[in-house]
Amino acid sequence: DQQVKQNSPSLSVQEGRISILNCDYTNSMFDYFLWYKKYPAEGPTFLISISSIKDKNEDGRFTVFLNKSAKHLSLHIVPSQPGDSAVYFCAASNDYKLSFGAGTTVTVRA
Amino acid sequence: DTGVSQDPRHKITKRGQNVTFRCDPISEHNRLYWYRQTLGQGPEFLTYFQNEAQLEKSRLLSDRFSAERPKGSFSTLEIQRTEQGDSAMYLCASSPSGRYTGELFFGEGSRLTVL
Repeated sequence: DQQVKQNSPSLSVQEGRISILNCDYTNSMFDYFLWYKKYPAEGPTFLISISSIKDKNEDGRFTVFLNKSAKHLSLHIVPSQPGDSAVYFCAASNDYKLSFGAGTTVTVRA
Repeated sequence: DTGVSQDPRHKITKRGQNVTFRCDPISEHNRLYWYRQTLGQGPEFLTYFQNEAQLEKSRLLSDRFSAERPKGSFSTLEIQRTEQGDSAMYLCASSPSGRYTGELFFGEGSRLTVL
């Protein structure tokens, strides 16, 4: 059962513009939502998270928004930079387990 | 380098053989996790240790899989009688004690190919 879904497998954006990545979930018991970034031949690295009791968390160029009623979260990257080209995984946490989406490949064009 | 270390990075084996992967977590982290990632999918939870105690196992972890963490330090994941469906990237991660927030530190993974 896929509890976390990323419906866009890829996203292409011009350097300097905003990247918006979306994620939907089904389990109301998730207590934290996270975004991980993955480069080829490396393990995922933590990017940003949000508690289920918040609706927004910002860290530099990265902002995560949580809409609990819609069971939806999004990641905004502003401005996008070439080094942001990677696979981004949405994840949700419950009882020491992370459930991941399938990932969105972001390509930042110069 | 003080990150999570996994060995071997790549393993090619024939169906029916046994394989073992090792994970060395960040030294001060008492929580250790194993995940599996197949092509085009996100990582899937397999099991979780707090110190040497295995506290959670996914139903994905069939009886051919066994994980250990003796003395609460490094961990091993063994797959017996490998099948082609076991081909995947096996990721190890660790996290410190204290309030769990989902922030894990992943290793680079061990890629298994079963022929």
